[in-house]
Amino acid sequence: DTAVSQTPKYLVTQMGNDKSIKCEQNLGHDTMYWYKQDSKKFLKIMFSYNNKELIINETVPNRFSPKSPDKAHLNLHINSLELGDSAVYFCASSQGSGLANEQFFGPGTRLTVL
Amino acid sequence: EDQVTQSPEALRLQEGESSSLNCSYTVSGLRGLFWYRQDPGKGPEFLFTLYSAGEEKEKERLKATLTKKESFLHITAPKPEDSATYLCAVRGGGADGLTFGKGTHLIIQP
Repeated sequence: DTAVSQTPKYLVTQMGNDKSIKCEQNLGHDTMYWYKQDSKKFLKIMFSYNNKELIINETVPNRFSPKSPDKAHLNLHINSLELGDSAVYFCASSQGSGLANEQFFGPGTRLTVL
Repeated sequence: EDQVTQSPEALRLQEGESSSLNCSYTVSGLRGLFWYRQDPGKGPEFLFTLYSAGEEKEKERLKATLTKKESFLHITAPKPEDSATYLCAVRGGGADGLTFGKGTHLIIQP
């Protein structure tokens, strides 16, 4: 009965490659997010999707592109990977954009770019 | 730009030794202040949401309070299983994403 799941849990790849991380939530939430946690453990918002529409993009390089086939899924595609992309990426979801939008996080995907 | 500063960065306590973690924030139109717990290798786990100054919430040994400039997470008689990184985050009026602090790494020694 996992609420927010991500695959893969670990991803090791070479610089310049293109990769994807998948996220699924079974909470019935209508908003999903991607966060990046860097080596200093600092969590920063990258994207959010509400009803299949991108509603924030926090100056993330355009090599990163979120894709949402339906409101239960938000996948993250990364083109031309760079060393600085190494981090842990967390998917999250919440219901609505009002006050009571506690966000529930997935277990994270540790990306290592060599 | 929303900002969150947490202190201390790390805290080591003996089992049963109560203490408080601080979260100072600046935000345009606070829509919620959130506390999360993060264990190593896992995603943040939701603890509390506070919306207005004076509000308090409790869960087991944890109690969160909110003023107009800061929030405190009080830990009463902690146990070793309370060891984790505690993250504070705010949601401002202009965005749906959360702005996180860097967290307080809490260690409870038996």
